[in-house]
Amino acid sequence: EIVLTQSPAAVSLSPGERASLSCRASQNIASHLAWYQQKSGQAPRLLIYDTSNRAPGIPDRFSGSGSGTDFTLTINSLEPEDFAVYYCQQRSNWGSFGQGTKVEIK
Amino acid sequence: EAQLVESGGGLVQPGRSLRLSCEASGFRFQDYGMHWVRQAPGKGLEWVSGINWNSGNIGYAESVKGRFIISRDNAKNSLYLQMNSVTAEDTALYHCAKENHRGWFDPWGQGTLVTVSS
Repeated sequence: EIVLTQSPAAVSLSPGERASLSCRASQNIASHLAWYQQKSGQAPRLLIYDTSNRAPGIPDRFSGSGSGTDFTLTINSLEPEDFAVYYCQQRSNWGSFGQGTKVEIK
Repeated sequence: EAQLVESGGGLVQPGRSLRLSCEASGFRFQDYGMHWVRQAPGKGLEWVSGINWNSGNIGYAESVKGRFIISRDNAKNSLYLQMNSVTAEDTALYHCAKENHRGWFDPWGQGTLVTVSS
């Protein structure tokens, strides 16, 4: 079973700042990683797939990088609507999620 | 625009069964793999089960293997999850999700809430 570990569990930032969220896989998953955003009371939304590809309609302030076991989601210049919980997911075998990182307003 | 609407949730006693449904619209359902993902109250996302376009490839999380059965009816544009021998640990909001062209989950339905309690 592939385990994804996200860090930090939560981060407090101000609008306009940059967020860097980490996701580490327990084994090599090549580039088979995605990021989702979930706002309170809403269904998750796909942001980034295959490590670095933005889903349709996702602003370019969201970017993804990494390979193998270490991955990063970067949000440049946080907007008020970006404060949410972010999950990484691997699909090297079916699919498992990290535990999430909450991006809070400072 | 692809849309997914789940139904069938509710209050169920431990050890009993429940069948969830997910009705799809706005896309060619028979062409895409589908999944169930759950979220316990206040917790993170847990992948539950997935099925490919023709039901030829099916997978389950270890936590539900042997108890849950995923299926689909392409003629009815519908996905199902048969939940048997439920326990309190199965209490969650159950989302269905469509695979995109690369196999990632997009979009998701709003979910149907399952509460297991006596």
